[in-house]
Amino acid sequence: EAGVTQFPSHSVIEKGQTVTLRCDPISGHDNLYWYRRVMGKEIKFLLHFVKESKQDESGMPNNRFLAERTGGTYSTLKVQPAELEDSGVYFCASSQGVNYGYTFGSGTRLTVV
Amino acid sequence: AQSVSQHNHHVILSEAASLELGCNYSYGGTVNLFWYVQYPGQHLQLLLKYFSGDPLVKGIKGFEAEFIKSKFSFNLRKPSVQWSDTAEYFCAVNGAGRRALTFGSGTRLQVQP
Repeated sequence: EAGVTQFPSHSVIEKGQTVTLRCDPISGHDNLYWYRRVMGKEIKFLLHFVKESKQDESGMPNNRFLAERTGGTYSTLKVQPAELEDSGVYFCASSQGVNYGYTFGSGTRLTVV
Repeated sequence: AQSVSQHNHHVILSEAASLELGCNYSYGGTVNLFWYVQYPGQHLQLLLKYFSGDPLVKGIKGFEAEFIKSKFSFNLRKPSVQWSDTAEYFCAVNGAGRRALTFGSGTRLQVQP
């Protein structure tokens, strides 16, 4: 089965610009998660979709971050406008349900300069 | 709030040495526990998980972990490491009712040939 796909793998943007990250979960996985790892820190939860609905968005840092999951398939995470502190690796994961593990994508390394 | 502590940030071992990486969590209810590994340039992969039952869990590549409820610990062990075990290791937890994972800060393992 295909894994979780994220793109781009790397993105370098200037402060104030907009960036959109995309995640394609494993087909049939209703649960989709976004996480972020800022340099040297732990991986932190951002939000959780169940199908197209936001189940938990308690980890979203501020309103510059907007996540969508149209039709319950792929998800996008938009950062607008980007700030220097948004730099890090953004991971996406999907899961069939609570009693299953989580499959992670390779991540998108975002650098804001 | 949940939290996970990984005590060792950077571990250097010689091949064939035994490994134990510490993980302690803070959570008042039933937990699911995970160890993930990230090899250089690769995505996070599940090593093993504990949901219930036998507290000694065996995972892939000869790794195992023991859940000690009284100590809120889930330490990862391997009797004899190989150079190919060089990677970063993450302990993670989620509690009943909250599917998002809370990660520790990671332990970077370097195995010298």
